[in-house]
Amino acid sequence: TQLLEQSPQFLSIQEGENLTVYCNSSSVFSSLQWYRQEPGEGPVLLVTVVTGGEVKKLKRLTFQFGDARKDSSLHITAAQPGDTGLYLCAGLPNRRFGAGTRLTVKP
Amino acid sequence: KAGVTQTPRYLIKTRGQQVTLSCSPISGHRSVSWYQQTPGQGLQFLFEYFSETQRNKGNFPGRFSGRQFSNSRSEMNVSTLELGDSALYLCASSSGRGNSYNEQFFGPGTRLTVL
Repeated sequence: TQLLEQSPQFLSIQEGENLTVYCNSSSVFSSLQWYRQEPGEGPVLLVTVVTGGEVKKLKRLTFQFGDARKDSSLHITAAQPGDTGLYLCAGLPNRRFGAGTRLTVKP
Repeated sequence: KAGVTQTPRYLIKTRGQQVTLSCSPISGHRSVSWYQQTPGQGLQFLFEYFSETQRNKGNFPGRFSGRQFSNSRSEMNVSTLELGDSALYLCASSSGRGNSYNEQFFGPGTRLTVL
């Protein structure tokens, strides 16, 4: 079983701060996905990273896939209250999810 | 294009009862996956159906079962409910074709409470 560990589990910051959350595993993945889930809704796909060392940017969000394809990070620049939510990573091909990082951005 | 719909949104049952949850995927999508989400265990994969056949299965007991109909709608059944089955049950649909990282679209979930 491919186990994905996400850290930190909880993160509370002020608007405008930068942050990084992590997704780590001892297993190699063919690719990895990041999702954001807001209260009362299902997760929404943010990005899929496929190649080891790959960096993808989505506005203020920067996603990196580790060279060995065992870990990934999500960096948010100048966080806004709208970034609040549960950030989940999922390893492919089996789509096994981590427990998530619950981010709160205070105005 | 309508999104993934799940019914009911909320459900309260007692131990020992059974429950059936329903999921209607996005039109044209043939793959439906089910997940259980709890605060302690996170999002855990239950099973995936594609063209009425179970294609993948997670590590859940046989009390959890599912099926998919010819119109791609799917149902999930849990028999002999236990307190630990209280969770948010999410359904996700995708085209199911091609590579494994086709985007999955999640429904809002069914919140099941077992008393």
